[in-house]
Amino acid sequence: AQTVTQSQPEMSVQEAETVTLSCTYDTSESDYYLFWYKQPPSRQMILVIRQEAYKQQNATENRFSVNFQKAAKSFSLKISDSQLGDAAMYFCAYRVGNEKLTFGTGTRLTIIP
Amino acid sequence: DGGITQSPKYLFRKEGQNVTLSCEQNLNHDAMYWYRQDPGQGLRLIYYSQIVNDFQKGDIAEGYSVSREKKESFPLTVTSAQKNPTAFYLCASRSGNYFRTGYYGYTFGSGTRLTVV
Repeated sequence: AQTVTQSQPEMSVQEAETVTLSCTYDTSESDYYLFWYKQPPSRQMILVIRQEAYKQQNATENRFSVNFQKAAKSFSLKISDSQLGDAAMYFCAYRVGNEKLTFGTGTRLTIIP
Repeated sequence: DGGITQSPKYLFRKEGQNVTLSCEQNLNHDAMYWYRQDPGQGLRLIYYSQIVNDFQKGDIAEGYSVSREKKESFPLTVTSAQKNPTAFYLCASRSGNYFRTGYYGYTFGSGTRLTVV
């Protein structure tokens, strides 16, 4: 069974600084998708970034980028120039084909003004 | 605008009662999902449906039931057999069933907070 592990229950960062959230996963598949979702206090799930496993290039979306290490089964999220609005729970998730999303347990990110 | 509507936002249930959580989407998505969220446990899959009149158990289906009579609707019933139903419930939908022809993202509802009183 696929599992997703987020080993940092809580993280904090000073405003305008950079923070990296960690995620590891376990799978026997070679082709899959990885995602980072943000859940602010409103509890709406918002897609931050996605990575296709067959792509070697790391995905980037403005201030958000990933470090995808396929052999190590690692998928970390880097947030640059942290802003107060980045404060939220962040979930790493995995999916094979059109199957279900499997989520990690989440990391609560606090931004210190 | 298209989206997913979950209702009610807050729901209170007495012990021994069944309650039904509503999830409606107007995105014409094929697949729909129910997740349960507890502190420190992330989101866990309860049930999912890839097509009308068909659904499969997820990882924590015991004490729950679903139906998929219409493409737009995927209600979740929390039965009295669910021992610890107090949680936040999220519904999601996904379009298409292709892997490489395009990216078909998930859309999430705003959730229902269920509390047993």
